[in-house]
Amino acid sequence: GQNIDQPTEMTATEGAIVQINCTYQTSGFNGLFWYQQHAGEAPTFLSYNVLDGLEEKGRFSSFLSRSKGYSYLLLKELQMKDSASYLCAGSDSNYQLIWGAGTKLIIKP
Amino acid sequence: NAGVTQTPKFRVLKTGQSMTLLCAQDMNHEYMYWYRQDPGMGLRLIHYSVGEGTTAKGEVPDGYNVSRLKKQNFLLGLESAAPSQTSVYFCASKTGEPGELFFGEGSRLTVL
Repeated sequence: GQNIDQPTEMTATEGAIVQINCTYQTSGFNGLFWYQQHAGEAPTFLSYNVLDGLEEKGRFSSFLSRSKGYSYLLLKELQMKDSASYLCAGSDSNYQLIWGAGTKLIIKP
Repeated sequence: NAGVTQTPKFRVLKTGQSMTLLCAQDMNHEYMYWYRQDPGMGLRLIHYSVGEGTTAKGEVPDGYNVSRLKKQNFLLGLESAAPSQTSVYFCASKTGEPGELFFGEGSRLTVL
């Protein structure tokens, strides 16, 4: 079956670094997406990885290991506005997205 | 830039009533999607369309119908609403594969 696993909730301190992990099982693989969703709002795109390695985009980085079926989202210099849910989604052989339930990130001052 | 617009934003229905959710995008995207989001679960695909005049079933299509008569619009219909359809519904669009999805603001539906 197809499945995405990510932690339900994480807590971090303002100014610190946090890593949100995601493991995936998909029928075929066409990449791994990360989206950010603030409470009561729509998801917005953060990153896309299809090759192994780290993609850096400002304070946010995303890593992929295809052999391990594993990805992580790294957030540096945390700000209060980073409090949100982070959604991991794997793209299968038909380009259908399989979504994780999301990781709620709580930032404390 | 409007992007993806959903109407209505909120709706309360009684069991058995029908309604239509409208999604409109002004980005000339080919692909459009309807998802539902429930607490503790990932986004689940209801129906999708890869172009004007085409529709296809997603993961949870039962109880819903869709139409894509115009490229910019994607309608989601509930013929006979049930309490299990209480959810937040998101419309999304993209240019093609494997592109990023652009989401509407969501429509919160409650079925009593």
